[in-house]
Amino acid sequence: ELKVEQNPLFLSMQEGKNYTIYCNYSTTSDRLYWYRQDPGKSLESLFVLLSNGAVKQEGRLMASLDTKARLSTLHITAAVHDLSATYFCAVDAGTASKLTFGTGTRLQVTL
Amino acid sequence: DTGVSQDPRHKITKRGQNVTFRCDPISEHNRLYWYRQTLGQGPEFLTYFQNEAQLEKSRLLSDRFSAERPKGSFSTLEIQRTEQGDSAMYLCASSPNLNTIYFGEGSWLTVV
Repeated sequence: ELKVEQNPLFLSMQEGKNYTIYCNYSTTSDRLYWYRQDPGKSLESLFVLLSNGAVKQEGRLMASLDTKARLSTLHITAAVHDLSATYFCAVDAGTASKLTFGTGTRLQVTL
Repeated sequence: DTGVSQDPRHKITKRGQNVTFRCDPISEHNRLYWYRQTLGQGPEFLTYFQNEAQLEKSRLLSDRFSAERPKGSFSTLEIQRTEQGDSAMYLCASSPNLNTIYFGEGSWLTVV
């Protein structure tokens, strides 16, 4: 059974600081997704990583994938308050995009 | 707006009642998914359709749960004889391919 673990589960950081969220998964996968979720809202797609070594960046967020280590990272550069949300990684271990989600990292950026 | 649409957005029901949720996917997306999310957890996969065919079901989908996608467009998720443990947000998602999955706003269910 595919397991996806994220750490930390909760992250409080000051504006302007950098930090990394880690996502480990237990079986081979060709696709890894990062989503953002605001309280009471649905999931907003951030990145889809499709191959080993893939790196994608959007604004202050950068995601990378190491399929050999079964690890993805979401790096936050110079955090701002608007980035406060819960971030999920999700792994597709099959052919139908059935996603297995991590438990989420709740990010709180303080002024 | 042409995103994934779900209805109702909120439902409060008494234990033992049946509820049905509807999902309208993005036009021409042949893949449709249902997930369930409880407070503080990540979404859990329930079921998957490709066009009108239900190709995969999770063990989470007990015999009280049924999903349909009769014409390969909209989908319904019915929960019979609801229990308090069914309280969650039910998320629908659609996808045109294996690389992009779009989620709807979700349907919140509270069983009292």
